[in-house]
This record gives sequence, structure tokens and C-alpha cells, in this order.
Amino acid sequence: GAVVSQHPSRVICKSGTSVKIECRSLDFQATTMFWYRQFPKKSLMLMATSNEGSKATYEQGVEKDKFLINHASLTLSTLTVTSAHPEDSSFYICSARRTGNNYGYTFGSGTRLTVV
Amino acid sequence: GESVGLHLPTLSVQEGDNSIINCAYSNSASDYFIWYKQESGKGPQFIIDIRSNMDKRQGQRVTVLLNKTVKHLSLQIAATQPGDSAVYFCAESGGSYIPTFGRGTSLIVHP
Repeated sequence: GAVVSQHPSRVICKSGTSVKIECRSLDFQATTMFWYRQFPKKSLMLMATSNEGSKATYEQGVEKDKFLINHASLTLSTLTVTSAHPEDSSFYICSARRTGNNYGYTFGSGTRLTVV
Repeated sequence: GESVGLHLPTLSVQEGDNSIINCAYSNSASDYFIWYKQESGKGPQFIIDIRSNMDKRQGQRVTVLLNKTVKHLSLQIAATQPGDSAVYFCAESGGSYIPTFGRGTSLIVHP
């Protein structure tokens, strides 16, 4: 149990376009999901906390207008990178926390975004 | 041996040896700690966790030790195998229940 599906696993897009990444909890409900960004050989940096039915909470330095987060259901959160630029190229990872369990985090498999 | 510098710290071991990966955490209010394994191009995979009311917890071939006095966490892997080669991260969480990740250590297991 506790499977999180992240899609797509890899995406290449042109500068100026937008890309949507989906994070789904397949067999549990997740009121809260987290979005991380990871640069090569670096740790995961929290970008934002996504809460079902309300606005996401962004970490300091993360542009909310550039990284749009929507958490419209208890099993789906999306991250849209708007007007992507090469510096947005990175590995994006989501995590879902099981509703009612503050200690149950499950991570997706990540999305490799390359902006050309 | 272990090296620390601009790159990810690396621990190289021989197959069959025991590995010890260390982590210093920053928030004294953290009460939950998790070790993750991350293989190249994949998301973090849960290994073992421990709460602050414990100082040791064992799993299958893995043991986590917690020293709250010096804010130190370690992961011990017994009889390390080539399949254990990966990057290992510790994560901490406190009242916000949001996992914050440490720097990571690259484990290389030589056959």
C-alpha cells in the first residue's frame, strides 16, 4: 500500500512554455502533499506544501506565480511550471502524507524537467 | 573512507562490510526522523524511521541510532550489498510534520 504515482517521469519543453506535473496517491487519501526540487548531487529542497481545497504554502524564495500548485482532490496535486526557462530544469519530486497520519510520507518517482 | 567537500560526501565499502552513514540534524524541536535511499533518477525510498522517544531502532539489516544530545543520527547497514549503492538522506520533522532533508551521503559498494 501507500503508492504515489508521479507523471510524467521525463519531459522536455521549449523555453516560454508551461509544463504540468501530476502527483497522485493511488491507494490512500492525502490531504497534504509536498513538492520538492532537487539539483544534481544535491539534497531535496522543499518548494511548497499543497493542501487539499486551499492555497498552497510556498517556501521562501519560491515564486508562487511561476510554480502553480493545485490540490483539487484528496488524491491529486499538480505542479505547473509556467513560462519555463532553462534554469527551471531540475528533478521535481512530490510526496503525499496520508490523511490522519502525520508520520506517513510516501514519495513519487520524480519528474526530470529539461527546458531547452 | 568518507570524504566531505563540495561534492556529495561519499562512503566506499567492500561488499559484506558494515556501513555507517552519519547525519547531523539542525532542529532540536524535531521529533521524528527518517532515513531514505535514493537511486539515480528515482524518488526517495523509505528505509527506517525513529521517533525522539527512542535512541535505537532496528529493521532488516538496518539500524538507526539517535543521539538527541548532540543532534546526531546514524544509519547502520549490515553486510552491505552492491544493491545498497545509492544516495542516503536523513530527514527530520517536527511540529509542522514536514520532512526536511539533510545533505545526503553517496554509498558505493565494491564487489
